[in-house]
Amino acid sequence: EAGVTQFPSHSVIEKGQTVTLRCDPISGHDNLYWYRRVMGKEIKFLLHFVKESKQDESGMPNNRFLAERTGGTYSTLKVQPAELEDSGVYFCASSQVETSAYEQYFGPGTRLTVT
Amino acid sequence: SQQGEEDPQALSIQEGENATMNCSYKTSINNLQWYRQNSGRGLVHLILIRSNEREKHSGRLRVTLDTSKKSSSLLITASRAADTASYFCATRTSGTYKYIFGTGTRLKVLA
Repeated sequence: EAGVTQFPSHSVIEKGQTVTLRCDPISGHDNLYWYRRVMGKEIKFLLHFVKESKQDESGMPNNRFLAERTGGTYSTLKVQPAELEDSGVYFCASSQVETSAYEQYFGPGTRLTVT
Repeated sequence: SQQGEEDPQALSIQEGENATMNCSYKTSINNLQWYRQNSGRGLVHLILIRSNEREKHSGRLRVTLDTSKKSSSLLITASRAADTASYFCATRTSGTYKYIFGTGTRLKVLA
């Protein structure tokens, strides 16, 4: 079974440009999460989808970030316009069910570099 | 300050030695998980320990949890060069689905 996949693996853009990251969760996983690790700091939660609905977007840093999950399958995270501080690794994770103790499966991440 | 702070930040040991990493957190948790990240790769789940458990084993890994001290430790026994990676603890509080990660411990195992 394929794991969580993310595309691209690395993106280099200039400040002010737009970038769209994509995440394909494990097939059948209704829950999808975005996290990011910026400047070697801790990995921080961004938001959580249940199917196509945003369950929790409390971690989204500002309105330059837009996440979508049309159809409840893959998700995109758009950064527009990108700023230098957005550089980091963006992780996507998915899980099948919502139980009291469950595992989130993480993708390889997308390394974003804003110059 | 952040939940899930690991120490040490970096650890360098010889192959065959044991490696111990610690994680402290601040709020009551539902469970705690340890993840590994090899350079350039995604996060790999290692072990989950629930708040009512004190110790769990998985192969060469041993995790302890002390909820009274709000801390956890990850012990890797008989380390191998392939264990070289960053290790993160992640906590989840009841009623939420998000995990809170620490900054991680960078482990280097020298052959």
